[in-house]
Amino acid sequence: ETGVTQSPTHLIKTRGQQVTLRCSSQSGHNTVSWYQQALGQGPQFIFQYYREEENGRGNFPPRFSGLQFPNYSSELNVNALELDDSALYLCASSPQTSGNDEQFFGPGTRLTVL
Amino acid sequence: QQQVKQSPQSLIVQKGGISIINCAYENTAFDYFPWYQQFPGKGPALLIAIRPDVSEKKEGRFTISFNKSAKQFSLHIMDSQPGDSATYFCAASMGTGRRALTFGSGTRLQVQP
Repeated sequence: ETGVTQSPTHLIKTRGQQVTLRCSSQSGHNTVSWYQQALGQGPQFIFQYYREEENGRGNFPPRFSGLQFPNYSSELNVNALELDDSALYLCASSPQTSGNDEQFFGPGTRLTVL
Repeated sequence: QQQVKQSPQSLIVQKGGISIINCAYENTAFDYFPWYQQFPGKGPALLIAIRPDVSEKKEGRFTISFNKSAKQFSLHIMDSQPGDSATYFCAASMGTGRRALTFGSGTRLQVQP
């Protein structure tokens, strides 16, 4: 069984640019959540996708957007990058079983905004 | 209301000792409390989780103690090993269906040989 994978591993962008991060969920998982982890802090919830629809959103501006595809993989898009967007972006997938709250995280994408 | 407070920020334990990390929450609607372990350059890995209908859960060397009235829960690592050196995060979530996790700020554990 393949775990959660994310690409790219590292990314360097300039302020004002746009970025797309990708996530492949674990086999059998239909829910994907995205988190932002600033250096030395705990992950913060950005949003969640279930059956290709946004299913909840944290306190992040609209320039953070996402997609989920029929195979349950997902993208996180960030427009108009700011220096404070520099962080580790984590994707987590959850099983299809109702009531199962476990979330399994990928290795993350390290984004640096210069 | 959504905050989860974690302490200590860092912890040094001798090999074979007990590591204890504490978390407190404010929102009584939280009903799922996982602990995650994160190594440098890696994503968080689920260690153990508890629901408020039990006061303790043990899996191997890891135990969660839960105090619903105090709104506190803790992770105990028995017989701590150098390989346990990592950052540990408590988290909480609530509601039905698929839920967002609210994380604590993390505890950096160092187990000295």
